[in-house]
Amino acid sequence: DAGVIQSPRHEVTEMGQEVTLRCKPISGHNSLFWYRQTMMRGLELLIYFNNNVPIDDSGMPEDRFSAKMPNASFSTLKIQPSEPRDSAVYFCASGRGSTGELFFGEGSRLTVL
Amino acid sequence: AQSVTQLGSHVSVSEGALVLLRCNYSSSVPPYLFWYVQYPNQGLQLLLKYTTGATLVKGINGFEAEFKKSETSFHLTKPSAHMSDAAEYFCAVSPISGGGADGLTFGKGTHLIIQP
Repeated sequence: DAGVIQSPRHEVTEMGQEVTLRCKPISGHNSLFWYRQTMMRGLELLIYFNNNVPIDDSGMPEDRFSAKMPNASFSTLKIQPSEPRDSAVYFCASGRGSTGELFFGEGSRLTVL
Repeated sequence: AQSVTQLGSHVSVSEGALVLLRCNYSSSVPPYLFWYVQYPNQGLQLLLKYTTGATLVKGINGFEAEFKKSETSFHLTKPSAHMSDAAEYFCAVSPISGGGADGLTFGKGTHLIIQP
C-alpha cells in the first residue's frame, strides 16, 4: 500500500515567493496533520483536519500560512509570502479513527533564501 | 494539555550495549503513548505504541517500552544496540479520544549514537 505522499521533496525559493506544499494521505484515513520540524523548535503541529474539516489551526505561525483539504485525498499547505525563517522540513501525516497512531510522509524540505 | 520530556538530546552507547532512552509525559487524561524513529532525510516511523492493556509493549527492531503510570514514564529500551539503530527517536503522547485523532505532542527527540 502507498504511504503518505508529499511533494515536492525539496524546494528552494527566494524570500517573498509563494510556496505550496502538497500531501496525499493514506486512503481510508480520516485525519490529516501538518507538522514543521526545525533544529531549534523540534516538531510542531501546525494544523490538522478531521474528515476534511480543519479542527485546530492554533499552531499556524501567522497569516502567511494557510492550509486546505478540498477532499479526502489531497491537502495543501501554502506560505505567501515566504520568509527565510520558514526554512524547515514540513511533514504531512495521516491517521484513522481514535487509535492516535499517525503515518508520516517523507517530508518537504523548504529553503527560503 | 499534554507535554513530553525526553531526557538527553544525545545518547551514545557502544554496539552491543543496552539502549535506554527516557521519556516522561504529562497529560490531563489517560494517554496513548508512542515512540517513533527518524532516519536521516526520512519521515517518522512508528516503533511501538501503548494504548491499553499490557504495560510492556514490544515494537519493531527489538525495541520495547514500559508504561509506568505512577512515574508518568514510557522509557524505550533495547538489550543490544546495533549500528543500524543510529537515528533520532521521538516520544509522543496523544489523549484518548473517541473520535478522530487529535494529533500527537512530540518530545524534542533524542539522537542515538552507536559507537563501534
